[in-house]
Amino acid sequence: EVQLVQSGAEVKKPGESLKISCKGSGYSFTNHWIGWVRQMPGKGLEWMGIIYPGDSDTRYSPSFQGQVTISADKSISTAYLQWSSLKASDTAMFYCARTQSGYTYDFDYWGQGTLVTVSS
Amino acid sequence: EIVMTQSPATLSVSPGERATLSCRASQSVSGNLAWYQQKPGQAPRLVIYGASTRATGIPARFSGSGSGTEFTLTISSLQSEDFAVYYCQHYNLWPPFTFGPGTKVDIK
Repeated sequence: EVQLVQSGAEVKKPGESLKISCKGSGYSFTNHWIGWVRQMPGKGLEWMGIIYPGDSDTRYSPSFQGQVTISADKSISTAYLQWSSLKASDTAMFYCARTQSGYTYDFDYWGQGTLVTVSS
Repeated sequence: EIVMTQSPATLSVSPGERATLSCRASQSVSGNLAWYQQKPGQAPRLVIYGASTRATGIPARFSGSGSGTEFTLTISSLQSEDFAVYYCQHYNLWPPFTFGPGTKVDIK
């Protein structure tokens, strides 16, 4: 069974750093892209970026380039999303999702989401 | 960057009725279009990919059509479990693979 299990909810202060994780199982982790999607409270889905764990090829949305870092450790089938200095506006739910294959980019499996709250 | 728009923003439908949702891309995305369903407090779920192929486990009452810049998701006879927000997403060629703003299907 394919599963993406994300790390738990986080409460942070502005200026702090954070790294959240997404562990894949039940499939070949290196053969599918993993993407990150932001959903701010009460709002829609925003595509942030994707990584191919097989070779760490990473693509970002211009809206998120330089604001976050996407990485992956294929030895433990885990992808990461990290911030070096959080802002209150980073408060959101973050989902990881797997692409159906290495050459299509629709997301067929999703993690349960990680809620990040940034507040002083 | 390709901009995705969806209409209407909200669609009020009675159970058993047909729902038709529209999605438009600012430039051609060929057939590289997916639809997702999201219920409150849940992660999104893939409904349609390749503009018209139902994802695994999706009932036959869901159908997708279109290519290029105009796409439609049709739910032929709405069931109670279908009331949700639906997002389209393109995944053509180069990122970002943007989502539309969503259409909320609620009970009339």
